[in-house]
Amino acid sequence: DVKVTQSSRYLVKRTGEKVFLECVQDMDHENMFWYRQDPGLGLRLIYFSYDVKMKEKGDIPEGYSVSREKKERFSLILESASTNQTSMYLCASSLGLQPQHFGDGTRLSIL
Amino acid sequence: SQQGEEDPQALSIQEGENATMNCSYKTSINNLQWYRQNSGRGLVHLILIRSNEREKHSGRLRVTLDTSKKSSSLLITASRAADTASYFCATDPGAQKLVFGQGTRLTINP
Repeated sequence: DVKVTQSSRYLVKRTGEKVFLECVQDMDHENMFWYRQDPGLGLRLIYFSYDVKMKEKGDIPEGYSVSREKKERFSLILESASTNQTSMYLCASSLGLQPQHFGDGTRLSIL
Repeated sequence: SQQGEEDPQALSIQEGENATMNCSYKTSINNLQWYRQNSGRGLVHLILIRSNEREKHSGRLRVTLDTSKKSSSLLITASRAADTASYFCATDPGAQKLVFGQGTRLTINP
């Protein structure tokens, strides 16, 4: 069965810290995505990647970067965390035009 | 760019009743998908309907798509307590990205 694993379910960091969120999928999917989910705003796309070492900006990339050194792993980086980045972060992967498979999310709090 | 809008934002019904959720979108699409999210978990794909299809069934789920009105509906028949979740529509305008609506929070009362 398809599995997308996010490294942490809950994470607490301080303002100004560099934060890494990790996502690993075991399906050999070429597409991977990072979203943030906030009440009343639904899911918003931060970055996505179609292949190793490739990345594309989504709708809200400011304050974030990503890394995809291996096909199965897609990392989201908060360069200098701020309180407005407190949110639920969801990773997803897909094969071609097939539906996306999601991890269980990381609830990140920035103090 | 939020494309999908869902209606209602919240829905509370009795177990055994049918639940209907609606989704509207703005631009042309290749397909429309529905996902479910249980509290504190990730999204799970339920059903995909292509732009040239009008209706699709999967178990107790029925999805319709009206491309002329840019709208879709999800019907869950004979609801169960386990159907309590948030439901999201997502449109595929191309380029393998999805644009999600804000979701409908469904509560099934025993």
